[in-house]
Amino acid sequence: GAVVSQHPSRVICKSGTSVKIECRSLDFQATTMFWYRQFPKQSLMLMATSNEGSKATYEQGVEKDKFLINHASLTLSTLTVTSAHPEDSSFYICSASSWQGASDEQFFGPGTRLTVL
Amino acid sequence: AQSVTQLDSQVPVFEEAPVELRCNYSSSVSVYLFWYVQYPNQGLQLLLKYLSGSTLVKGINGFEAEFNKSQTSFHLRKPSVHISDTAEYFCAVTVTDKLIFGTGTRLQVFP
Repeated sequence: GAVVSQHPSRVICKSGTSVKIECRSLDFQATTMFWYRQFPKQSLMLMATSNEGSKATYEQGVEKDKFLINHASLTLSTLTVTSAHPEDSSFYICSASSWQGASDEQFFGPGTRLTVL
Repeated sequence: AQSVTQLDSQVPVFEEAPVELRCNYSSSVSVYLFWYVQYPNQGLQLLLKYLSGSTLVKGINGFEAEFNKSQTSFHLRKPSVHISDTAEYFCAVTVTDKLIFGTGTRLQVFP
């Protein structure tokens, strides 16, 4: 299957700072990328869907000004957690798809563990 | 709206024993169904998917799942598990472009 990378794999930051997480599709062009959040021992919750060159679509309850998503190219999407607080600590996972329809597979990155002190 | 229920949060099993991880979904329209595996501190890896056709789907690592429309189920099975199968397993459904995940089942394989 296709390979999706995330960087960094782990980040610790102070409260009030901003953190940027990168998601890259290494061997295919991803027209759509998804950002998920996973709390300990819980399932993945979709935060937003981003299509290359357009604004991201956020799920209900997700603050778009706090979680800035940029999908500038077909191989890179970034999630910036602005003014991070301890409650933003979580495991963030991205996925990528060369979207052809609902049956298309999403390829997941290895995740980024964010800890806000 | 679609939803996914994984009734078992944890399934302990001995090595070489068979295992079944249950998944039920609710939807008023036809869906596509997936099983993913997540190893500690890693992203998700696709085990198998059902799109259409044969209701018995074979995946990687010896896993298979059977789509049962009348029971709205998509249970995952493996006839003989290994220690290395210890992980979190997620069932998911999609109709449009969004994956809806179940809460996951922790499979713990003991020697």
